[in-house]
Amino acid sequence: AQKVTQAQTEISVVEKEDVTLDCVYETRDTTYYLFWYKQPPSGELVFLIRRNSFDEQNEISGRYSWNFQKSTSSFNFTITASQVVDSAVYFCALSGANTGNQFYFGTGTSLTVIP
Amino acid sequence: DVKVTQSSRYLVKRTGEKVFLECVQDMDHENMFWYRQDPGLGLRLIYFSYDVKMKEKGDIPEGYSVSREKKERFSLILESASTNQTSMYLCASSLSSSGREKLFFGSGTQLSVL
Repeated sequence: AQKVTQAQTEISVVEKEDVTLDCVYETRDTTYYLFWYKQPPSGELVFLIRRNSFDEQNEISGRYSWNFQKSTSSFNFTITASQVVDSAVYFCALSGANTGNQFYFGTGTSLTVIP
Repeated sequence: DVKVTQSSRYLVKRTGEKVFLECVQDMDHENMFWYRQDPGLGLRLIYFSYDVKMKEKGDIPEGYSVSREKKERFSLILESASTNQTSMYLCASSLSSSGREKLFFGSGTQLSVL
């Protein structure tokens, strides 16, 4: 079965704190892709990153970093020195090479950054 | 810049009405999707289309139908709206069916059925 779990429903942090959003996935595919999307209050989901199952290298983009660990089936997202503009709902998603039309989304984590 | 446009941001309808939600993409994408977003449930796939006039059911197709007569346009139809269809509806598109292609989303339509 394909499944994505985001156990954290809501997180609040004070500005400039670091925060990690957890994502755990289940899949039987050997080739799969993991994604993170951000949904600001405007409503439109915005793509942040895609990771291939055969590439476990961690990635950093400015204040954002992603830790992909196949051994624990996790793809966690860390925001360093959080800012108010980071307040949004964040979704983790999974797709498989054999199920290209199906994306499996987690239930989302609502992040509030308090000034 | 690439764009997925949903015709309405907010919509209020009465129980039993026929409702059309329209979505247009300008990226010549093969795939188009309709999702429903509810608090605590994340995004759930209603229908997707991988080509003109082609459609596949997603996880929750009951009470919905779709139409794709042109590549750029994908319509979601609620034949007889019910209060349990009050929700945020999100349209998305992707370039191909490889699984690695990211989704591009519209801004969503918040539908209220009274």
